[in-house]
Amino acid sequence: KAGVTQTPRYLIKTRGQQVTLSCSPISGHRSVSWYQQTPGQGLQFLFEYFSETQRNKGNFPGRFSGRQFSNSRSEMNVSTLELGDSALYLCASSLLTGNYGYTFGSGTRLTVV
Amino acid sequence: QQQVKQSPQSLIVQKGGISIINCAYENTAFDYFPWYQQFPGKGPALLIAIRPDVSEKKEGRFTISFNKSAKQFSLHIMDSQPGDSATYFCAAGPSGGGADGLTFGKGTHLIIQP
Repeated sequence: KAGVTQTPRYLIKTRGQQVTLSCSPISGHRSVSWYQQTPGQGLQFLFEYFSETQRNKGNFPGRFSGRQFSNSRSEMNVSTLELGDSALYLCASSLLTGNYGYTFGSGTRLTVV
Repeated sequence: QQQVKQSPQSLIVQKGGISIINCAYENTAFDYFPWYQQFPGKGPALLIAIRPDVSEKKEGRFTISFNKSAKQFSLHIMDSQPGDSATYFCAAGPSGGGADGLTFGKGTHLIIQP
């Protein structure tokens, strides 16, 4: 059974640019949640999508957005990148909406220069 | 923002010993308390989780102890092995989800010395 796949694994962007990250959940999982991981703040919740609808959103600015497609694959977008957006972005999939039973991907390491 | 406080920040244990990591939470609405293990270059992997209706849950060498009145829970790793060396995160949240998703502790870097 394939795990959660995140692409790309590494990304370097310049301040002011925008970036799109992709997440393919485990087959059959309908919920995708996104987290930002930094050494200072740890893991912080960005948002959750279930059946193509955003169910919950964390305390991040509007520059952070996402969407989910009918096949449950999800993308997140960060516009007008700032140096502080440098982080490991993790997506987690689960069967149902909510926090139960996450399986995380290996993440996308974003560096903003 | 609701916090989950995790301690210690780092821990060194001899092979065969018991590793103990503690967490405390604030929000009494939380009803799901998982522990995650993360190796370098990988995402966190769910180790074990507990609900507040039980005080202890054991899976192999891993045990969660839960104290609802004190709002504390801990992870015990029995017979610790070098392969257990990783970063461990506790987390807490409403199982049904919510605006904050899961709230994670800051992590414990565990080293098991052979």
